[in-house]
Amino acid sequence: SQQGEEDPQALSIQEGENATMNCSYKTSINNLQWYRQNSGRGLVHLILIRSNEREKHSGRLRVTLDTSKKSSSLLITASRAADTASYFCATDGNTDKLIFGTGTRLQVFP
Amino acid sequence: DAGVIQSPRHEVTEMGQEVTLRCKPISGHDYLFWYRQTMMRGLELLIYFNNNVPIDDSGMPEDRFSAKMPNASFSTLKIQPSEPRDSAVYFCASSQGTGAYNEQFFGPGTRLTVL
Repeated sequence: SQQGEEDPQALSIQEGENATMNCSYKTSINNLQWYRQNSGRGLVHLILIRSNEREKHSGRLRVTLDTSKKSSSLLITASRAADTASYFCATDGNTDKLIFGTGTRLQVFP
Repeated sequence: DAGVIQSPRHEVTEMGQEVTLRCKPISGHDYLFWYRQTMMRGLELLIYFNNNVPIDDSGMPEDRFSAKMPNASFSTLKIQPSEPRDSAVYFCASSQGTGAYNEQFFGPGTRLTVL
């Protein structure tokens, strides 16, 4: 079963705009990770945020975590066509393994 | 390091045939994961190993699926006999330390089509 549900399922924006994706999960976690998957490729790790952290930045990426609401968001600022991909959140559910969400398909138009 | 290596990249086979997928993890990584991705079910964890020992195979669909890790640099996922519903992209991933606390490095995947 999937732990995380991303919202929206699909998002289309113009280059330069910001893209926000949300992830909700069901059980308590130790940390949450975000991954990107380009079409026909494997997943690539973007960022990991621990349960005691509320916000984390990496370049144009900003991730927030609200454990009381069991939700996280990924913000990509000043998007580029190369950001076109699917984005997944993954949680550990207090286990040794990751459970991936359903993903958000992001399309950035030049 | 070349990253996680998977072979073959594409496999087309007929129902009933045996299929073997191969994975070489990143050197020094002690965790190895096998995932399956389909449009209907998303990305599912099938099985994972720690130091070559299977830890959790609860995601393996049925007895037709088996996985081995004979040494730290090689793992196989076998489907025997294969069925059309096994068609999917199979990913291998590895990590240094438990997958929950560390980033996982994914291979390029094997796209399996069972006719």
